[in-house]
Amino acid sequence: GEDVEQSLFLSVREGDSSVINCTYTDSSSTYLYWYKQEPGAGLQLLTYIFSNMDMKQDQRLTVLLNKKDKHLSLRIADTQTGDSAIYFCAETRSGNTGKLIFGQGTTLQVKP
Amino acid sequence: KAGVTQTPRYLIKTRGQQVTLSCSPISGHRSVSWYQQTPGQGLQFLFEYFSETQRNKGNFPGRFSGRQFSNSRSEMNVSTLELGDSALYLCASSLEGGQGGQPQHFGDGTRLSIL
Repeated sequence: GEDVEQSLFLSVREGDSSVINCTYTDSSSTYLYWYKQEPGAGLQLLTYIFSNMDMKQDQRLTVLLNKKDKHLSLRIADTQTGDSAIYFCAETRSGNTGKLIFGQGTTLQVKP
Repeated sequence: KAGVTQTPRYLIKTRGQQVTLSCSPISGHRSVSWYQQTPGQGLQFLFEYFSETQRNKGNFPGRFSGRQFSNSRSEMNVSTLELGDSALYLCASSLEGGQGGQPQHFGDGTRLSIL
């Protein structure tokens, strides 16, 4: 199927770490992405990882991929109020050009 | 480098009308994909164009169509508008369609409201 699943809501305190989780079902996934959407805006690419990698770090962002369990996570260190947004994980699949399959999005609320 | 540009930002139409949305990709990007975003269905893939050809298509009715021009700019057309077509329509561009790790970059979308 085309299922990419995310929890819908996460609330953290400013300065804490946030971990947003995502699971996918298709073993032909090639790349996995994290996008951020702020109100009234489009999607901003945060980071992405090749499906054969385990981890990728980019400043405050750490992506972990457990290929066996088809589980992807995004860790945001030192979360700031400006990180409040909806976060989408997405995948591309082999042979399916130009098509991203998205999860439902996780709303991250950062409390001061 | 300029990002993906979508015009117009907002549109209000009535049922039965048709609408055309425009997308200018990042310079040098040859692939343009379109998505529909609604609260109920989330983000759904409409179609992808590459070198003026539709290369991939999602599960939308034939009322949704598109095209791509030689400069990679793309348009999306929706005919016989229905209330359920109210959505944010997002365009994304990439070098060659996202294979090989070339990510898609999105515009800010066109908000279409059907009265």
